[in-house]
Amino acid sequence: SQQGEEDPQALSIQEGENATMNCSYKTSINNLQWYRQNSGRGLVHLILIRSNEREKHSGRLRVTLDTSKKSSSLLITASRAADTASYFCATAGNTGGFKTIFGAGTRLFVKA
Amino acid sequence: EPEVTQTPSHQVTQMGQEVILRCVPISNHLYFYWYRQILGQKVEFLVSFYNNEISEKSEIFDDQFSVERPDGSNFTLKIRSTKLEDSAMYFCASTGGGSSYNEQFFGPGTRLTVL
Repeated sequence: SQQGEEDPQALSIQEGENATMNCSYKTSINNLQWYRQNSGRGLVHLILIRSNEREKHSGRLRVTLDTSKKSSSLLITASRAADTASYFCATAGNTGGFKTIFGAGTRLFVKA
Repeated sequence: EPEVTQTPSHQVTQMGQEVILRCVPISNHLYFYWYRQILGQKVEFLVSFYNNEISEKSEIFDDQFSVERPDGSNFTLKIRSTKLEDSAMYFCASTGGGSSYNEQFFGPGTRLTVL
């Protein structure tokens, strides 16, 4: 099954540093999305990258997609304590229902 | 900005009881979804719904679960006889039709606690 799997599982950095999270998946996709979730809260959509795109930026976020390697990365530059959260990649497939499959997530902790 | 809404935000129920979780998707969207997230685990797909019928469902979505779009705005998930292991956050999502590139918009979730 198509499945996003992130690494690392957990990441602890100092405020101001960059954070890089990686995601791998197994099958062909239509798009890949990154979400953020604060503990016990809802999902915040960060960025969507289409299968024909290689890189996308949004503020301090940079997402890359390599469909040949079936992988994506999320870079958060100049991290802040408020970036502390879990980050999930999610892939949308080719079936008519366009369901989204989530990975297990990376827990990011940014120390002030 | 349009958003997906869900009610209630938190539901507590006794094992064996029926619960109905409610969602109002974004008004011009055509595809609707339910996902669940057990505490500390990843978000899991339950079911997708299009044109008044289920288009895809996961193995989690067994006979205890059903979905309905009773009117033009609501989308509901019913669990007929809740089990302890149904305790989770349940997210509704919707997406517009016409393009497989569309972003899924998620609601804030309903936390279901089964005692």
